[in-house]
Amino acid sequence: AQKITQTQPGMFVQEKEAVTLDCTYDTSDQSYGLFWYKQPSSGEMIFLIYQGSYDEQNATEGRYSLNFQKARKSANLVISASQLGDSAMYFCAMREVYNNNDMRFGAGTRLTVKP
Amino acid sequence: NAGVTQTPKFRVLKTGQSMTLLCAQDMNHEYMYWYRQDPGMGLRLIHYSVGEGTTAKGEVPDGYNVSRLKKQNFLLGLESAAPSQTSVYFCASSYSSLRLYGYTFGSGTRLTVV
Repeated sequence: AQKITQTQPGMFVQEKEAVTLDCTYDTSDQSYGLFWYKQPSSGEMIFLIYQGSYDEQNATEGRYSLNFQKARKSANLVISASQLGDSAMYFCAMREVYNNNDMRFGAGTRLTVKP
Repeated sequence: NAGVTQTPKFRVLKTGQSMTLLCAQDMNHEYMYWYRQDPGMGLRLIHYSVGEGTTAKGEVPDGYNVSRLKKQNFLLGLESAAPSQTSVYFCASSYSSLRLYGYTFGSGTRLTVV
């Protein structure tokens, strides 16, 4: 069964600095996708970034980038130039192509941006 | 541009009562899912559906039933609510996994069972 591990329950970062949120995953499949979602205090789940297992380049979306190390099975989220509005829960998730379609989530990391 | 709509947004139930959570999507997605979110545990899959008329169990299906009579709707039922079912419930929908699209989530339903 696929498993997602986020080892940092909470993280603090100073405004305007960069921060890395860790995520490791476990799968025996070759074809899968990795996702990061943001959940602010209002509760909604906001899609941030996607990385496919066959993508050779790391995904980037504005201030978000995904540091994908396939051999180590890690998919860390990097947020550059942190803003106060980045304070939220962040979830790493994985979806396998041939595993009945469900996406599995890590336990999440609560990021707090200090002014 | 509604996306995924969940009703109700909040509900308080007494132990033993029943209720149905409704999820509706207008994106013509094939797949729909129900998750529950508990502190420190992320989101866990309850049930899912890969098409109209089909449902399947996820990671934590006990105490829940689902139905997908129409492609755009996915219902989650609690026949006899228990305090352990106090949680935030999220519905999500997506295209087929072969395209590896991400999910679109509803805004969640906060359920308290007393």
